[in-house]
Amino acid sequence: GESVGLHLPTLSVQEGDNSIINCAYSNSASDYFIWYKQESGKGPQFIIDIRSNMDKRQGQRVTVLLNKTVKHLSLQIAATQPGDSAVYFCAENGGGKLIFGQGTELSVKP
Amino acid sequence: GAVVSQHPSWVICKSGTSVKIECRSLDFQATTMFWYRQFPKQSLMLMATSNEGSKATYEQGVEKDKFLINHASLTLSTLTVTSAHPEDSSFYICSASRPDSRDEAFFGQGTRLTVV
Repeated sequence: GESVGLHLPTLSVQEGDNSIINCAYSNSASDYFIWYKQESGKGPQFIIDIRSNMDKRQGQRVTVLLNKTVKHLSLQIAATQPGDSAVYFCAENGGGKLIFGQGTELSVKP
Repeated sequence: GAVVSQHPSWVICKSGTSVKIECRSLDFQATTMFWYRQFPKQSLMLMATSNEGSKATYEQGVEKDKFLINHASLTLSTLTVTSAHPEDSSFYICSASRPDSRDEAFFGQGTRLTVV
């Protein structure tokens, strides 16, 4: 089956705190995952990716964790800033074809 | 770089009319493009896969006669919403992949369609 988008859950954090955004995916055969950031009225922006042969990958202020056993991804944002306020989606990538997760709206309070 | 341009960025049309949205890869050739639709406060949903020189592949539940896709060149795919109705009002986004990096998706900026 495919992940289906419903109304977005929200996460509110204080500036400077760490944020953790979670995502469940549906296809156990998926082997490539991407986190995207989407600001209002814009297309998705690539943040970080991970392949199924890894369980953790780090970027600048961001870390993605992959748990294949329970089909779960998380995105950790360190020292969250107001500019991080956006909607975050995970996506399963199959040859450029993306199946998006539900999404989480992150709100950063100054 | 890899730039994908979508046009128009927003459009308002009357109910019953048709609207064409263009998706162009500006600095690379895209044999495959994808069309997504996003309703307010919801996730992106894949509508169809557009293949250059062949018929598009539509996802389940997407009407191919209503959402016409044409991928006539390696740099342009168009999505035409025919006989638009208010329920078709949405944010439409395309993405394109490079032949040498099929896993990497480059997104257009999206088109906000409002049907009145």
